[in-house]
Amino acid sequence: DQQVKQNSPSLSVQEGRISILNCDYTNSMFDYFLWYKKYPAEGPTFLISISSIKDKNEDGRFTVFLNKSAKHLSLHIVPSQPGDSAVYFCAASAGPAAGNKLTFGGGTRVLVKP
Amino acid sequence: EAEVAQSPRYKITEKSQAVAFWCDPISGHATLYWYRQILGQGPELLVQFQDESVVDDSQLPKDRFSAERLKGVDSTLKIQPAELGDSAMYLCASSSETNTQYFGPGTRLLVL
Repeated sequence: DQQVKQNSPSLSVQEGRISILNCDYTNSMFDYFLWYKKYPAEGPTFLISISSIKDKNEDGRFTVFLNKSAKHLSLHIVPSQPGDSAVYFCAASAGPAAGNKLTFGGGTRVLVKP
Repeated sequence: EAEVAQSPRYKITEKSQAVAFWCDPISGHATLYWYRQILGQGPELLVQFQDESVVDDSQLPKDRFSAERLKGVDSTLKIQPAELGDSAMYLCASSSETNTQYFGPGTRLLVL
């Protein structure tokens, strides 16, 4: 069973507009969440993270929102730029008790049109 | 900025052959992970090391896969014999005390 799901396999957005990527999880033991960006033939690059004690974390153009009651998180990219075109992965961890193991979603491919 | 190094970047092999991948984590990172990513899916953990010890290899197909981190620094992942279904991207990541894992560029394996 997939514990972390990204239900939108792809997203197309105009340059300058907002990109919103969604992620749902089922394991209530997850307490730390991360977003990674991946270009073809490269490894994932860490973007931003959030602990379950917060509901929002912001870093430049990237903001992650966490709704624990809904077991849902989202990544907002504002404004979107052509260089943001990549696959974005949501990941979750149950912390040191689970070896800090990351469980990944299936990814969302983002295309930012100039 | 410190990075995770992996080699080779690309590997083409025939089924039943042996292949090996190498990873050098960020200096000082005690935890090292090997993941496999199949096209269109997210990475899946194969094995996790804490220093030189394996802490999780529950998803490693041990009949054909092996991993070692003898001195607690760099690591090698081996497949013998390779099968067609092993074609994937093999990713190495490392972390310190935090939850954030940093990934290397990966090795793309094609088994013919």
